[in-house]
Amino acid sequence: SYELTQPPSVSVSPGQTASITCSGDKLGDKYACWYQQKPGQSPVLVIYQDSKRPSGIPERFSGSNSGNTATLTISGTQAMDEADYYCQAWDSSADNYVFGTGTKVTVL
Amino acid sequence: EVQLVETGGGLIQPGGSLRLSCAASGFTVSSNYMSWVRQAPGKGLEWVSVIYSGGSTYYADSVKGRFTISRDNSKNTLYLQMNSLRAEDTAVYYCARVGAVAGTGFDYWGQGTLVTVSS
Repeated sequence: SYELTQPPSVSVSPGQTASITCSGDKLGDKYACWYQQKPGQSPVLVIYQDSKRPSGIPERFSGSNSGNTATLTISGTQAMDEADYYCQAWDSSADNYVFGTGTKVTVL
Repeated sequence: EVQLVETGGGLIQPGGSLRLSCAASGFTVSSNYMSWVRQAPGKGLEWVSVIYSGGSTYYADSVKGRFTISRDNSKNTLYLQMNSLRAEDTAVYYCARVGAVAGTGFDYWGQGTLVTVSS
């Protein structure tokens, strides 16, 4: 089955840039999405089709996807961005949706 | 306004059955791809099942043969019938709308309903 791997944690200082990676076999050939989940809340879509932002998502969130790695970048990180982040892709060979292992972003 | 409200969670013994419901408003369930995603306590997100607008259904290997996804068009509601429940099925279950266009992701989520499988 298809797997997506993320680093368990990323730490960033306020105002700095946080980068979260998501690795999977030939992930660049698929679309990647990213979700933000704060404690006790439902996930929120922050990036779709590799790099597009849904309405209402701040411009400081951006994404890219190439080769075997998708990356979510948070520029000018704010305390409110402290959350768990999950990447997601669709495995066409099995008609399954796959989530990454998740990354906890801490704003120090 | 799009809204998804899950109900039906609770405490159930191993081997038991439970049906979750997800009432949608602001859009038509039957015209969209709809999915269930779960999250075990303190763990990550796990995709469970999807039903496409055409009616095709797909399941994660971990629930195949035990869970059934369906919808009631007249009630604009999505369901998840869960049979032969195991302790490892304990999780918050979310329903979510899935974008039909490739790569558009899970754009709306419910608040989740907790299922606890324990004796």
